[in-house]
Amino acid sequence: NAGVTQTPKFRILKIGQSMTLQCTQDMNHNYMYWYRQDPGMGLKLIYYSVGAGITDKGEVPNGYNVSRSTTEDFPLRLELAAPSQTSVYFCASKFEESYGYTFGSGTRLTVV
Amino acid sequence: AQSVTQPDIHITVSEGASLELRCNYSYGATPYLFWYVQSPGQGLQLLLKYFSGDTLVQGIKGFEAEFKRSQSSFNLRKPSVHWSDAAEYFCAVGRMDSNYQLIWGAGTKLIIKP
Repeated sequence: NAGVTQTPKFRILKIGQSMTLQCTQDMNHNYMYWYRQDPGMGLKLIYYSVGAGITDKGEVPNGYNVSRSTTEDFPLRLELAAPSQTSVYFCASKFEESYGYTFGSGTRLTVV
Repeated sequence: AQSVTQPDIHITVSEGASLELRCNYSYGATPYLFWYVQSPGQGLQLLLKYFSGDTLVQGIKGFEAEFKRSQSSFNLRKPSVHWSDAAEYFCAVGRMDSNYQLIWGAGTKLIIKP
């Protein structure tokens, strides 16, 4: 099984550009999450989804958008990239009423 | 508010030495506690978890952690570290009131001296 797959692994964006971070899971998990990880800050929740068609904001949603059209995919969209969005982004998934999170390997994004 | 504190940003230990990484939590009820490891370029992997019962829990890769309610702590230990243990370690507490989400500590980076 592939688990949680994130693409790309690395990306450099210019200020004002947009991009989509892809996340796909093949475990039929209904819950999916996007986190950002900044040095000394741990993981902060950006958005999450409890099932196809349902998304909700986390702690730090500003500057991001998500969609969940299928169970498998949960892309994260940055519309107008800013230097403050330089971070490592992790996607995760799990079943409902479970703490069994599976994480992707991350996307390192630099905005210059 | 619930919180998780990892007081040490970096820890350096010699290969073969023992290790203890500290984690303190703030939570009103019995917490669900976790330790994750993030190796360079990798995602986060669960090392161990505590839900209830025996307060000393064993995990993968030779790690263990002890839940101490009186100290609100869940420290991670290993008797003898290997160079491959160099990574970042995260402590987390589970929130049952919010779709089983996790609240994360800031992480401790473990550096191994040869």
